[in-house]
Amino acid sequence: KAGVTQTPRYLIKTRGQQVTLSCSPISGHRSVSWYQQTPGQGLQFLFEYFSETQRNKGNFPGRFSGRQFSNSRSEMNVSTLELGDSALYLCASSLALTGNSGNTIYFGEGSWLTVV
Amino acid sequence: AQSVTQPDIHITVSEGASLELRCNYSYGATPYLFWYVQSPGQGLQLLLKYFSGDTLVQGIKGFEAEFKRSQSSFNLRKPSVHWSDAAEYFCAVGGAAGTASKLTFGTGTRLQVTL
Repeated sequence: KAGVTQTPRYLIKTRGQQVTLSCSPISGHRSVSWYQQTPGQGLQFLFEYFSETQRNKGNFPGRFSGRQFSNSRSEMNVSTLELGDSALYLCASSLALTGNSGNTIYFGEGSWLTVV
Repeated sequence: AQSVTQPDIHITVSEGASLELRCNYSYGATPYLFWYVQSPGQGLQLLLKYFSGDTLVQGIKGFEAEFKRSQSSFNLRKPSVHWSDAAEYFCAVGGAAGTASKLTFGTGTRLQVTL
């Protein structure tokens, strides 16, 4: 079974540009969430999508957005890039079970974004 | 609000020695707890998780963790460390079913293994 797949793995963008990152979840997983990892702030939750709807959002400016498609694949977009957006962006997926149980959350290898 | 504290930023152990990485959490409901490992330039790999039941959970690569509700802790252990275990380790809380699959992470512990 394939894991969480993220593309591209590495990219360099210029300040002011925008970027789109893609994530394919594990087959059958309905929830996709995104995290930003930086040396200064650590791992921070961006947002989660479930059934094409944003279910939860972290504390990031509106420049950060995302969407989920009917096949559960997800994209995140960052507009008007700033130097501080340089980070590893991690996508995670889970089955999004209901009831009195936890969700096992699996991560992809990440997309390394450098803003110059 | 949920939070995770990993008090040790950096730990160095000798190959073959035992290891314990500390994790303390704050969570208003039943905690769902995870340990992930990250090698340089890589994503996060799930080592183990605790949802309920037996408080001692076994994971991959010979790791185990013990959930202690009274101490709000979920420490990761390994009896004998291998050089390939050198990486950064993250404890996380969250992921409750029926709600957003949002994890709150600790700041991580970087493990160095000396030969």
